[in-house]
Amino acid sequence: AQKVTQAQTEISVVEKEDVTLDCVYETRDTTYYLFWYKQPPSGELVFLIRRNSFDEQNEISGRYSWNFQKSTSSFNFTITASQVVDSAVYFCALSDTNRDDKIIFGKGTRLHILP
Amino acid sequence: DTEVTQTPKHLVMGMTNKKSLKCEQHMGHRAMYWYKQKAKKPPELMFVYSYEKLSINESVPSRFSPECPNSSLLNLHLHALQPEDSALYLCASSQDRGQGYYEQYFGPGTRLTVT
Repeated sequence: AQKVTQAQTEISVVEKEDVTLDCVYETRDTTYYLFWYKQPPSGELVFLIRRNSFDEQNEISGRYSWNFQKSTSSFNFTITASQVVDSAVYFCALSDTNRDDKIIFGKGTRLHILP
Repeated sequence: DTEVTQTPKHLVMGMTNKKSLKCEQHMGHRAMYWYKQKAKKPPELMFVYSYEKLSINESVPSRFSPECPNSSLLNLHLHALQPEDSALYLCASSQDRGQGYYEQYFGPGTRLTVT
């Protein structure tokens, strides 16, 4: 069965600290896609990144970076020098290859950046 | 432009009312989605439209009726809802269907309260 686990329900850090959000997934497929979405208090889910299972190269986008490790089935997300605007719920997700278009979301990690 | 718009932002309706939620995108995307999100939970897929045809219905009760009048518009008609249907309703679109190959872009949602 396919599953996404975000073990950290809630994290609080002081502004400018680095923070890593963990994501562990389970799938028997060899081809799959992983995603991270951000949901600020306004409610809109903001797409951050998509990674396919054949591309294990780490990605950096400004203060955001992602570490994909197939050996540990993890796709962790790090925010460097956090800012108050980073406060949001972050969802890790996995494509369900049994069902076109269905994304399996983790339960989300609520991140509080304290000023 | 990666914008998906939704109206209204907030909606309060009685259990005997009929109302509609509207979603619009002008990115030329051919797949559109409705999700329901309860507080502190991840989004749950309700419906998928592909090329203006309903392709997935996740066993949603008939009091929710989707409609796709054209490739840019997606409606969700509501009738005889229950208080437990109160939630954030999110619309999303993607370039096409395809097992996660195309990322989904979400609108800001309609926060629905059923009294």
